Amino acid sequence: IAGITQAPTSQILAAGRRMTLRCTQDMRHNAMYWYRQDLGLGLRLIHYSNTAGTTGKGEVPDGYSVSRANTDDFPLTLASAVPSQTSVYFCASSGELGQGYEQFFGPGTRLTVL
Amino acid sequence: AQSVSQHNHHVILSEAASLELGCNYSYGGTVNLFWYVQYPGQHLQLLLKYFSGDPLVKGIKGFEAEFIKSKFSFNLRKPSVQWSDTAEYFCAAQKGYSSASKIIFGSGTRLSIRP
Repeated sequence: IAGITQAPTSQILAAGRRMTLRCTQDMRHNAMYWYRQDLGLGLRLIHYSNTAGTTGKGEVPDGYSVSRANTDDFPLTLASAVPSQTSVYFCASSGELGQGYEQFFGPGTRLTVL
Repeated sequence: AQSVSQHNHHVILSEAASLELGCNYSYGGTVNLFWYVQYPGQHLQLLLKYFSGDPLVKGIKGFEAEFIKSKFSFNLRKPSVQWSDTAEYFCAAQKGYSSASKIIFGSGTRLSIRP
């Protein structure tokens, strides 16, 4: 049982390029999340999905898009990467959005935009 | 806006010292509270959580936290730290009883333990 997997582990990307970060969970969790982690700022929510077919915006959604075609996958796309998107990106999932279910985190993707 | 504050950005302790990390949240009403830990090079893991009931919550690895509603606080404690507790600790809060309620994280406290 893998839990949550993310790919790639790390990536260096030229500014202006399009990039999709992949996230897959095998726990049949309804809710999934994308966070970025930056020094001194903690984790900030980018987008979330409370069930397959629905998505919502978090604190810092600009420049990012997500889709939730099925329960297991929740890819995050940077349409045209900028250096300020250099960060570590974590995908997470929980049984239900809200209601105190803990979130389980993936191993992260370290993205550098030059 | 709802927020979670961790006032200690970096704490340095010697082994066997006692630990208390502060956490304050700005939510009114029912709230769920969490402490997560991130060991170097690893992803976040849940240390403990509070939903309701006894305000003193015991977690893994000897950690505990106390929910004080009047102070909007959920401080993390450990009576005697070990070198292996070196990590970053994140407090998080979620407004309770809402199916659309997301978890808001604090900025984190880096804990360094001197052997």
